[in-house]
Amino acid sequence: EPEVTQTPSHQVTQMGQEVILRCVPISNHLYFYWYRQILGQKVEFLVSFYNNEISEKSEIFDDQFSVERPDGSNFTLKIRSTKLEDSAMYFCASRAWGGVSNEQFFGPGTRLTVL
Amino acid sequence: AQRVTQPEKLLSVFKGAPVELKCNYSYSGSPELFWYVQYSRQRLQLLLRHISRESIKGFTADLNKGETSFHLKKPFAQEEDSAMYYCALMGGANNLFFGTGTRLTVIP
Repeated sequence: EPEVTQTPSHQVTQMGQEVILRCVPISNHLYFYWYRQILGQKVEFLVSFYNNEISEKSEIFDDQFSVERPDGSNFTLKIRSTKLEDSAMYFCASRAWGGVSNEQFFGPGTRLTVL
Repeated sequence: AQRVTQPEKLLSVFKGAPVELKCNYSYSGSPELFWYVQYSRQRLQLLLRHISRESIKGFTADLNKGETSFHLKKPFAQEEDSAMYYCALMGGANNLFFGTGTRLTVIP
């Protein structure tokens, strides 16, 4: 059964450094999402992406964040200058087009630690 | 604004006992609600959604618009049900708003 994959599983970085989190969505899916979960808190929506552009973004998704689908298979989240408070688990999700189901399929997550 | 509330962070029940995980929501439009589950060291996965009115692994959830609730129920809990359960509401752009989650522990 196809799954969403994410790399790396754990990323440690210094404050102020740029990080890129990578996701490979399920191949025939058209909608892509990033969520994050700070330790002990709820899963929060960051951004949705469709047809090579951002559909919606939350207040969290400020100018330090960007997303890209560089090659038709990968879906990346870049944080330009990481802050301590960016430490969290980042989940990628993807969804197929239309139909009855609006199910989003989640990746295993990348744990980002900012020192 | 949309909001999902799960009042219980932790819930413990004995094997074979009924279980109910509470979820209340706030949403101005017509809500579409989901329950996601995360077993130990596994990814978030969909358990059930209100529009399909299905029973998965013995769990059911009924949308009560009057009480703005979508509680998850199972008549007889099993040890393998121990997991983190998240109630989620789908927003207008199909992004999910999650509750804080309830960790269910089924005691043998």
